[in-house]
Amino acid sequence: KAGVTQTPRYLIKTRGQQVTLSCSPISGHRSVSWYQQTPGQGLQFLFEYFSETQRNKGNFPGRFSGRQFSNSRSEMNVSTLELGDSALYLCASSAESGSYEQYFGPGTRLTVT
Amino acid sequence: KNEVEQSPQNLTAQEGEFITINCSYSVGISALHWLQQHPGGGIVSLFMLSSGKKKHGRLIATINIQEKHSSLHITASHPRDSAVYICAVTGNQFYFGTGTSLTVIP
Repeated sequence: KAGVTQTPRYLIKTRGQQVTLSCSPISGHRSVSWYQQTPGQGLQFLFEYFSETQRNKGNFPGRFSGRQFSNSRSEMNVSTLELGDSALYLCASSAESGSYEQYFGPGTRLTVT
Repeated sequence: KNEVEQSPQNLTAQEGEFITINCSYSVGISALHWLQQHPGGGIVSLFMLSSGKKKHGRLIATINIQEKHSSLHITASHPRDSAVYICAVTGNQFYFGTGTSLTVIP
């Protein structure tokens, strides 16, 4: 089976712009979670989608949003980018929602200038 | 307030040494995960456990639910084990430790 894929791998944006990141889960997996990783804060949970519904959400402002499509692919959107949004954004898929093994994608490195 | 605490933050070992990384958590959980992250960012799930002990090759993970504590052991460490090891717990969301950076010297 192919692993979790994320596109794009690298992205440079300017403050105030918006960005959309994409994640394709492992075939058959219905849950997709998104995480932000920065040197200062480490890994932080953004949100989880399961069967096109947001199941859980971390403590991030409303500028961070996501959605999941019927084929389980997921997108994450960040609007009005700030310098502090520069981070590695990781998605992970699992077979079901809850306590199941997570399979991580390679991440999208976002730089906001 | 950190829901997940890991120790040590940094660890340097000689090849062949036995290594232990500790994780304590303060929230109710349904499972605990040990993750490995190599330079470049890729994360691999090593273990997911909710009780007892699991073993994969030279890696062993244990959890004590009553004490809210888990340990990751690496026996006969090797330079390829050099990575950041992250403890994470699943409660109502995912909570992560800050990671332990391990360097194994040949």
